[in-house]
Amino acid sequence: EAQVTQNPRYLITVTGKKLTVTCSQNMNHEYMSWYRQDPGLGLRQIYYSMNVEATDKGDVPEGYKVSRKEKRNFPLILESPSPNQTSLYFCASSFLGIGSYEQYFGPGTRLTVT
Amino acid sequence: DAKTTQPPSMDCAEGRAANLPCNHSTISGNEYVYWYRQIHSQGPQYIIHGLKNNETNEMASLIITEDRKSSTLILPHATLRDTAVYYCIVREGDKIIFGKGTRLHILP
Repeated sequence: EAQVTQNPRYLITVTGKKLTVTCSQNMNHEYMSWYRQDPGLGLRQIYYSMNVEATDKGDVPEGYKVSRKEKRNFPLILESPSPNQTSLYFCASSFLGIGSYEQYFGPGTRLTVT
Repeated sequence: DAKTTQPPSMDCAEGRAANLPCNHSTISGNEYVYWYRQIHSQGPQYIIHGLKNNETNEMASLIITEDRKSSTLILPHATLRDTAVYYCIVREGDKIIFGKGTRLHILP
């Protein structure tokens, strides 16, 4: 089954404790992206990647890191989480190239930083 | 800033057609319009996309004006399961900017 998986689905952590949220897709998509969603603000793009070893900042990259060492994986790293990073996070992927390609979204990771 | 503007909320009677508008007045010639929806806090789900021609699939129809500055998503026979937030986006190169979407309420 074609899908985007995220782990963990729920996480409660404390300020300053490094964490990683994993994202994996099995559709051989070149493009992967992370979003955060906060009440009243819709989805905001954090980082995206066009392919392996190619990442770029979205609208709200501060406080986050990403890496793309393999095509299928795109982990989101919070080196020193703060309470303002409490949010619902979504990973997404799509093909790239001429034309248009829809994004497939993961189920979300709900992060609480205390 | 989002390249699209949508009304924050809309109501539609069950069984009737739901018409959700979207303005994208700064769209460029090779940018596609995409529609997604999000039910509760699930991951957004792709609905439809288009460039300049009207499009239809099993979920919805997309009507794009001739000048491409606006579009309308049509759910032909809305059901309670169509209650969701609907996002219209224009892909700005590699960056993707979602607006706040339209919260669609289907009334029984």
